[in-house]
Amino acid sequence: DGGITQSPKYLFRKEGQNVTLSCEQNLNHDAMYWYRQDPGQGLRLIYYSQIVNDFQKGDIAEGYSVSREKKESFPLTVTSAQKNPTAFYLCASSSGTGIYEQYFGPGTRLTVT
Amino acid sequence: AQSVTQPDIHITVSEGASLELRCNYSYGATPYLFWYVQSPGQGLQLLLKYFSGDTLVQGIKGFEAEFKRSQSSFNLRKPSVHWSDAAEYFCAVGGSMEYGNKLVFGAGTILRVKS
Repeated sequence: DGGITQSPKYLFRKEGQNVTLSCEQNLNHDAMYWYRQDPGQGLRLIYYSQIVNDFQKGDIAEGYSVSREKKESFPLTVTSAQKNPTAFYLCASSSGTGIYEQYFGPGTRLTVT
Repeated sequence: AQSVTQPDIHITVSEGASLELRCNYSYGATPYLFWYVQSPGQGLQLLLKYFSGDTLVQGIKGFEAEFKRSQSSFNLRKPSVHWSDAAEYFCAVGGSMEYGNKLVFGAGTILRVKS
């Protein structure tokens, strides 16, 4: 089945540690996105990539980093510089670099204490 | 800048009653509009989309939405709500190359269904 997988579902880290969230898609989509979701705030774009080896900052990129070495993979690293990292993180992909519907993974809930 | 407003944070309807979720957008050109649904702790599922053409669009699960340019609105409707429709609903707008073809999401409306 084609789709987007995110792992793990739940992630716990101590403050000051970097953590990497995985996102893999087998839809052959060109574009991939990372969003952060907090209660009552909708989805906010962290980073996006429209093609392999290229990515752009979204609205809240500070404290995060990404890479796009393969078309199917777009991992997100939450660094110790992110002041409030506890949140629900969603990965999405779309088939082109224009406006296409985005397909979402199941999400990773990160808790930092 | 493009933006989306969903005026209702929570809505409660009785099972079998009709539903309308409001969405207003701010955008300089013809927008691309989407409605997504999210169950607790899950990802988002696309319900329907509007790109052009007929302003009344049909989606999955019996949902429909109407694009009204004069009101900058894209409200979601369902004639008869089922208990399984309880979820959070997000409206999104996109379409400008100026903004990197990104989507902007509203804050969401939580739908509760009472029996």
